[in-house]
Amino acid sequence: AQTVTQSQPEMSVQEAETVTLSCTYDTSESDYYLFWYKQPPSRQMILVIRQEAYKQQNATENRFSVNFQKAAKSFSLKISDSQLGDAAMYFCAYRSGQGTASKLTFGTGTRLQVTL
Amino acid sequence: NAGVTQTPKFQVLKTGQSMTLQCAQDMNHEYMSWYRQDPGMGLRLIHYSVGAGITDQGEVPNGYNVSRSTTEDFPLRLLSAAPSQTSVYFCASSYRWTANEKLFFGSGTQLSVL
Repeated sequence: AQTVTQSQPEMSVQEAETVTLSCTYDTSESDYYLFWYKQPPSRQMILVIRQEAYKQQNATENRFSVNFQKAAKSFSLKISDSQLGDAAMYFCAYRSGQGTASKLTFGTGTRLQVTL
Repeated sequence: NAGVTQTPKFQVLKTGQSMTLQCAQDMNHEYMSWYRQDPGMGLRLIHYSVGAGITDQGEVPNGYNVSRSTTEDFPLRLLSAAPSQTSVYFCASSYRWTANEKLFFGSGTQLSVL
């Protein structure tokens, strides 16, 4: 079974600074997808960024980028120019590319605080 | 487009009571699913459906029933609520069931079982 580990329960960053959230995963599969979801206090789960395992290039979405190290099974999220609205819980998630309707496996989350 | 709509947003039950959490989407999505979120454990899959009339169990299905009679609706039933089912429940859907599809989440239902 796949597992996703987020070892940082809480992180803090000053506004306009850069922060990196860590995620590692364990799998024996070669075909899979990795995601970062943001959950603000409203509880809404919002997709931040997605990475296909077969792509070597790291995904980027505006101020959000990932560092995908397939051999090390690491998938960290970098937030540049942090804004107050980035304060939220961030969940790393894994989804197998094999089989039908495979489930998302979530990590336990990292709470990000953004300070002035 | 309302997206994924969950009702109710909050609910308190007594042990042994039954209830149905409603989930509806208006995006013609094939895939619908239910997750529960517990402190320190992330989200875990309860049940999912890849189309009308087709459902399957996820990681933590015990104590929950689902059905999918239409493409739009995917209700989650608790037949006899237990305190262990106190959690926040999320419904999520995607256009297809394939792994690279973006999941759209509802805003969640906070359930307390006393």
